Amino acid sequence: QSALTQPASVSGSPGQSITISCTGTSSDIGSRYNYVSWYQQHPGKAPKLIIYGVSSRPSGVSNRFSGSKSGNAASLIISGLQAEDEAEYYCSSYSGRNTGIFGTGTKVTVL
Amino acid sequence: EVQLVESGGDFVQPGRSLRLSCAASGFTFDDYAMHWVRQAPGKGLEWVSGVRWDSVTIGYADSVKGRFTISRDNAKNSLFLQMNSLRIDDTALYYCAKDIGYGDPHYGLDVWGQGTTVTVSS
Repeated sequence: QSALTQPASVSGSPGQSITISCTGTSSDIGSRYNYVSWYQQHPGKAPKLIIYGVSSRPSGVSNRFSGSKSGNAASLIISGLQAEDEAEYYCSSYSGRNTGIFGTGTKVTVL
Repeated sequence: EVQLVESGGDFVQPGRSLRLSCAASGFTFDDYAMHWVRQAPGKGLEWVSGVRWDSVTIGYADSVKGRFTISRDNAKNSLFLQMNSLRIDDTALYYCAKDIGYGDPHYGLDVWGQGTTVTVSS
């Protein structure tokens, strides 16, 4: 159960779009289950679900956040980057045998 | 208001046991799977364990399998994590989280508690 692989950091200017990648295997992201989620975590706070089921947004989450999946990899796109988007982002997936797995985390910096 | 409140975290010596609890309110507890997730100081999130609404299916991370036991009491809207043979690398903030999926788990965690701290040290 190795963590899903994410870039350590991604940065962008306000208004720009950024993409965070999340690479797994055929046992998790690439499986027949579309149980890929993304979380935003600000320092000292609990994580917040921003994408589930690969591309669905929970109620109240901005439509600037979007998700997709291709093969063994998933992506989170943040469009119209805002200062409040500066946070740590984690991907997650069902990993078979009733287990879950998180990504290594990506620090997003708004320049 | 939908809420999860963890308790039971403490400072313990290696090899000892600890039982975490999570009190749920504001939603129909027995309709959803529940999970424990931990975060070591300065580190990322780690999924620890999950249990389906009816406790029929349960899963554990390899790092805790055989040492930790998840359980739930639907009558009391409560989730538990029994942690035995604690190790120094179990030191973390432990979060209780609700699955967004109705019935079967979808591994999207839409409600989180504020966490309870477990410190394992000699």
